[in-house]
Amino acid sequence: DQQVKQNSPSLSVQEGRISILNCDYTNSMFDYFLWYKKYPAEGPTFLISISSIKDKNEDGRFTVFLNKSAKHLSLHIVPSQPGDSAVYFCAASSNTGNQFYFGTGTSLTVIP
Amino acid sequence: GAGVSQSPRYKVAKRGQDVALRCDPISGHVSLFWYQQALGQGPEFLTYFQNEAQLDKSGLPSDRFFAERPEGSVSTLKIQRTQQEDSAVYLCASSFQLSYEQYFGPGTRLTVT
Repeated sequence: DQQVKQNSPSLSVQEGRISILNCDYTNSMFDYFLWYKKYPAEGPTFLISISSIKDKNEDGRFTVFLNKSAKHLSLHIVPSQPGDSAVYFCAASSNTGNQFYFGTGTSLTVIP
Repeated sequence: GAGVSQSPRYKVAKRGQDVALRCDPISGHVSLFWYQQALGQGPEFLTYFQNEAQLDKSGLPSDRFFAERPEGSVSTLKIQRTQQEDSAVYLCASSFQLSYEQYFGPGTRLTVT
């Protein structure tokens, strides 16, 4: 049973525009969320995180929004750059557990 | 290097063979995780260590899978009598503490023929 879902397997965006990647979760106990970026033949690289006490966290071009009532988070990248082309995974955990649950990933292509 | 390293990067095993996958975490990281990533899927949790103690092995798919971290640093994931369904990328991650973000190694791609 997939507790973290990324329903869009792929996304294409023009360079300079905004990329919005979405993630939904089912477990209301999740209180810490992360986004990872993965290039081919490499392990996932941590990008940005957010805890459930916040609804927004920003780091440069990357902003993560959390809507706890909807059990939904999104990653905004603006402006998008060709080097952002990668697979993006969202992950979630609860402070009572020691597992991170990952979504299936969204492959982002930024077109120059 | 400063990152998590894994070896080998690629492993081809014949069905029934035993394999051992190694993970060198970032120095000083207490927590170490193993994940299995099948093609087109996200990483799936296998097991978790805090120092040398294996605190959670609920994700190990069968008793053919065994992990250890005897001195609280390097970890080995062993798969006995490999089956074709074991073919996947095995990722290791470490973190300073449990609740901190995890740093992943490049993974070991295991192909069982």
